[in-house]
Amino acid sequence: EIVMTQSPATLSVSPGERATLSCRATESVRSNLAWYQQKPGQAPRLLIYGALIRATGIPARFSGSGSGTDFTLTITSLQSEDFAVYYCQQYNNGPPLTFGGGTKVEIK
Amino acid sequence: QVQLVQSGAEVKKPGSSVKVSCKASGGTFSGSGVSWVRQARGQGLEWMGGIIPMFGTTNYAQKFHGSVTITADESSNTVYMELSGLTSEDTGVYYCAKGLGLRWIESWGQGTLVTVSS
Repeated sequence: EIVMTQSPATLSVSPGERATLSCRATESVRSNLAWYQQKPGQAPRLLIYGALIRATGIPARFSGSGSGTDFTLTITSLQSEDFAVYYCQQYNNGPPLTFGGGTKVEIK
Repeated sequence: QVQLVQSGAEVKKPGSSVKVSCKASGGTFSGSGVSWVRQARGQGLEWMGGIIPMFGTTNYAQKFHGSVTITADESSNTVYMELSGLTSEDTGVYYCAKGLGLRWIESWGQGTLVTVSS
């Protein structure tokens, strides 16, 4: 099973600043990686798939990069509604799907 | 747009089973894949397994082999997840989620809280 590791566990950022979140796989997943945002009491929301393709309706301040084993989610100019937990998920070669442990982006 | 509507909260005894439903409201699952994802309180997301309703093919995470059964009823546009041998560690929110096959997840149900307590 491919294990996904996210870092840092918590990221403290001021509104308007940039946030950079990392996700690493134990083996290559090529570009088969998605990112999700989850707010308290809500279901997750798809942000990015194919490592860099924004899902419908996702603002341009969210961008994904990377391939193979190392991936990054960048949020430029953080807005108040962006403070949440973010998860990466690989889907290389189909199931099983595996998620990272999450990064909480909190207000500094 | 298809919405996923899940059944309501459940309280179960240890050792029992729970069956959660997920209905595609306003459409069908078509060729989508439907996954079940669990989230314990304050914890991360855990993929349990999934099904392609059109074909009835299923895949399960190794951890849940033998304890989870996912089925689909295309006539009612509903997918079910049954978890047996419940323990307190199974307490959490269970989400059904739809995507292109069993890859990334495009939309999620509202979640169903399952509480296992004696």
